[in-house]
Amino acid sequence: QKEVEQNSGPLSVPEGAIASLNCTYSDRGSQSFFWYRQYSGKSPELIMFIYSNGDKEDGRFTAQLNKASQYVSLLIRDSQPSDSATYLCAAASGYSTLTFGKGTMLLVSP
Amino acid sequence: DGGITQSPKYLFRKEGQNVTLSCEQNLNHDAMYWYRQDPGQGLRLIYYSQIVNDFQKGDIAEGYSVSREKKESFPLTVTSAQKNPTAFYLCASSTQGYGNTIYFGEGSWLTVV
Repeated sequence: QKEVEQNSGPLSVPEGAIASLNCTYSDRGSQSFFWYRQYSGKSPELIMFIYSNGDKEDGRFTAQLNKASQYVSLLIRDSQPSDSATYLCAAASGYSTLTFGKGTMLLVSP
Repeated sequence: DGGITQSPKYLFRKEGQNVTLSCEQNLNHDAMYWYRQDPGQGLRLIYYSQIVNDFQKGDIAEGYSVSREKKESFPLTVTSAQKNPTAFYLCASSTQGYGNTIYFGEGSWLTVV
């Protein structure tokens, strides 16, 4: 059974701080990893994806992948109250559909 | 605008009724998916389709049925056999079928009354 694990949170950070969201996955064959943001009552929206070990930056967001440790993280710099949402991590191998974690709730206080 | 359209946004079902949720996409994506989300829970895959006239069961297909007669459309029927259908249903699509970025529709809320 392929699993993606996330701490449910909530993770609370003050405005302007760096929020660090973490995810581990069980399937060593996983090749692609995704971060989605989901506001309460809304559908998930893609933030970014990462395929290669290392860091990938997009604006205030940085995804980090360590395949040896089966670990993916998302860093949000200069966190804003509008970043308050649930963040879903997902993983997929070359021949499978995405497996989602249950998400981490992030609360950014003004 | 390109995107995935789900309807209705809110739906109430009486016990013993079948209901169908519509999903249409104009992204020219080959693959389409249906997920279910319960409060505080992750997304669980119901059915997916990588090509017209073909679809596969996901992790929780019991009590659901789908069809894929057109590339753009992937309706989901929640049958009376689904004993706990109250949930948030999400349709999604992607290019190709595996490991590619999927994009979601706005979702449909189904409540049993």
